[in-house]
Amino acid sequence: DTAVSQTPKYLVTQMGNDKSIKCEQNLGHDTMYWYKQDSKKFLKIMFSYNNKELIINETVPNRFSPKSPDKAHLNLHINSLELGDSAVYFCASSRRDTSGLYTDTQYFGPGTRLTVL
Amino acid sequence: GQSLEQPSEVTAVEGAIVQINCTYQTSGFYGLSWYQQHDGGAPTFLSYNALDGLEETGRFSSFLSRSDSYGYLLLQELQMKDSASYFCAVKGSGYSTLTFGKGTMLLVSP
Repeated sequence: DTAVSQTPKYLVTQMGNDKSIKCEQNLGHDTMYWYKQDSKKFLKIMFSYNNKELIINETVPNRFSPKSPDKAHLNLHINSLELGDSAVYFCASSRRDTSGLYTDTQYFGPGTRLTVL
Repeated sequence: GQSLEQPSEVTAVEGAIVQINCTYQTSGFYGLSWYQQHDGGAPTFLSYNALDGLEETGRFSSFLSRSDSYGYLLLQELQMKDSASYFCAVKGSGYSTLTFGKGTMLLVSP
């Protein structure tokens, strides 16, 4: 009954490789996100999808490509991995709310710790 | 753009009360959220303030002053399990985006 799940939990790979991280949510939410958390614990949004449509694309190298096959899934593919890509990547989901009066809670997955050697 | 400031670290003893402040500068503002993250874990939602005032949820309370661009998280009757990082986050305009502060590490000692 996991709300937001990610696979894999750990990913160790060599520089230059291509890797993917998968995310699934069973909360019925319409918005999903990818965040990057660096070694200093700074959480930075990378992408946001609403109903399979890309909404937010922060200043992220185009080696990162998100894909949302349906509302419940948001995958992240990374090409030509670099040392600086080492971080924890969190997927999250929420119910879109533009009024601002509701909690608009974001539910995070357990994270994928990516280590690039 | 948006920027948030919060202390990097706070220490306290079990049973005490601690307040973690957050000031923000934003181009659009809908509300202030607080998230807790234990070491090795995922951020989890604690509270959300869209309007001025105090919101209480058990031992945790959160306060917002929109005119001062300021909020705080108040943790009472501290327990060892409260040792974690606490992030304030601002909800911007439009879609459900959050900009997070750099986090405050709370260390609770016996």
